[in-house]
Amino acid sequence: TQLLEQSPQFLSIQEGENLTVYCNSSSVFSSLQWYRQEPGEGPVLLVTVVTGGEVKKLKRLTFQFGDARKDSSLHITAAQPGDTGLYLCAVGFSGGGADGLTFGKGTHLIIQP
Amino acid sequence: DVKVTQSSRYLVKRTGEKVFLECVQDMDHENMFWYRQDPGLGLRLIYFSYDVKMKEKGDIPEGYSVSREKKERFSLILESASTNQTSMYLCASSINGAGGLYEQYFGPGTRLTVT
Repeated sequence: TQLLEQSPQFLSIQEGENLTVYCNSSSVFSSLQWYRQEPGEGPVLLVTVVTGGEVKKLKRLTFQFGDARKDSSLHITAAQPGDTGLYLCAVGFSGGGADGLTFGKGTHLIIQP
Repeated sequence: DVKVTQSSRYLVKRTGEKVFLECVQDMDHENMFWYRQDPGLGLRLIYFSYDVKMKEKGDIPEGYSVSREKKERFSLILESASTNQTSMYLCASSINGAGGLYEQYFGPGTRLTVT
């Protein structure tokens, strides 16, 4: 059973549209991270959310941590081709900060001009 | 600019060969990690290290070993490469704080093909 379920797996939309991708679990987490990975590169951190109900904004990207700290969402407003990439959510491997990360399988996002 | 570098972007090895993947970080980070990334399976943790000469198993350590003789360098070793180890290998590093999640900085990856 996958610890983190991401949906949708693939999403292709036109430039200018809005979209939301999800990261769900039945477990409770103290914090959760979102990374973006572009082809041929390693993932790059976008945000860390810590508090239940927390909302963080990064330009056109809005991240929310669920009230129960079991799920998170990423909303992109007016998507642009530069937003294309693999979006990954991640939590601590064994709950701690010094350990590695457990990742969801990711959402492959393509923004068409 | 922070940097994690990996010794090769592409590598082709034969079944049974001993393979070394090298990773170097210039941020004086305590923690270093090795992941593999496969289509349909995502990123999975192989091993991590929180100090020189220390190592901990991740989710899928079988068939791999690691070495950390210097703080900035973390090596992944495939003792006898097999075709099911064909994958993208990603190295990462982070600080070692008091708790919570810290940013992991990833290298560009090594795409290993075992034939």
